[in-house]
Amino acid sequence: AQKVTQTQTSISVMEKTTVTMDCVYETQDSSYFLFWYKQTASGEIVFLIRQDSYKKENATVGHYSLNFQKPKSSIGLIITATQIEDSAVYFCAMREGNNYAQGLTFGLGTRVSVFP
Amino acid sequence: GPKVLQIPSHQIIDMGQMVTLNCDPVSNHLYFYWYKQILGQQMEFLVNFYNGKVMEKSKLFKDQFSVERPDGSYFTLKIQPTALEDSAVYFCASSLNRGPNERLFFGHGTKLSVL
Repeated sequence: AQKVTQTQTSISVMEKTTVTMDCVYETQDSSYFLFWYKQTASGEIVFLIRQDSYKKENATVGHYSLNFQKPKSSIGLIITATQIEDSAVYFCAMREGNNYAQGLTFGLGTRVSVFP
Repeated sequence: GPKVLQIPSHQIIDMGQMVTLNCDPVSNHLYFYWYKQILGQQMEFLVNFYNGKVMEKSKLFKDQFSVERPDGSYFTLKIQPTALEDSAVYFCASSLNRGPNERLFFGHGTKLSVL
């Protein structure tokens, strides 16, 4: 069974600094996909970035990047040069390669507050 | 960017009644999903719908639940009859494809309160 754990409940940072969020996952499958989503104050859930398990290079999109440590089953999200509008709840999610029956498995989320 | 719309944003009903949650997915998307989030818990997968059929469903998708998308209109989740434990926020999502390029677009959610 797949499982996703985000241990950090909330993080506060100053604007223009870097924030790092942790996520560890459990899976029996050798092929899997990892995702990060952001939920804004309005409730909107927005896809940010993904990492496919077979790719060694860390994914990067804009000011989001991932720290993929496969031996540790860890997929951290790094946001550089944070802005006020980065304040949100960030969810880590996973899906096993050919297992659609469980959909995406989500973590509990990490609330990030960016202060000026 | 593409938007998934959910109507209504909040629904309050009495236990035992029927409720229908509506979702307007991204127009060219082919796969549709419902997820459930109980307050303070993780968002959990309910069902995936494609080509007019349920493709996969979780154990949370009880017999009282049903989904349909008649004639390309709203993608709906119907609960009949409702139970107290159905109180949650229900998120609809859609995607163009699955697999390596899979990317889900979510709605804002419908908060269902069963009294």
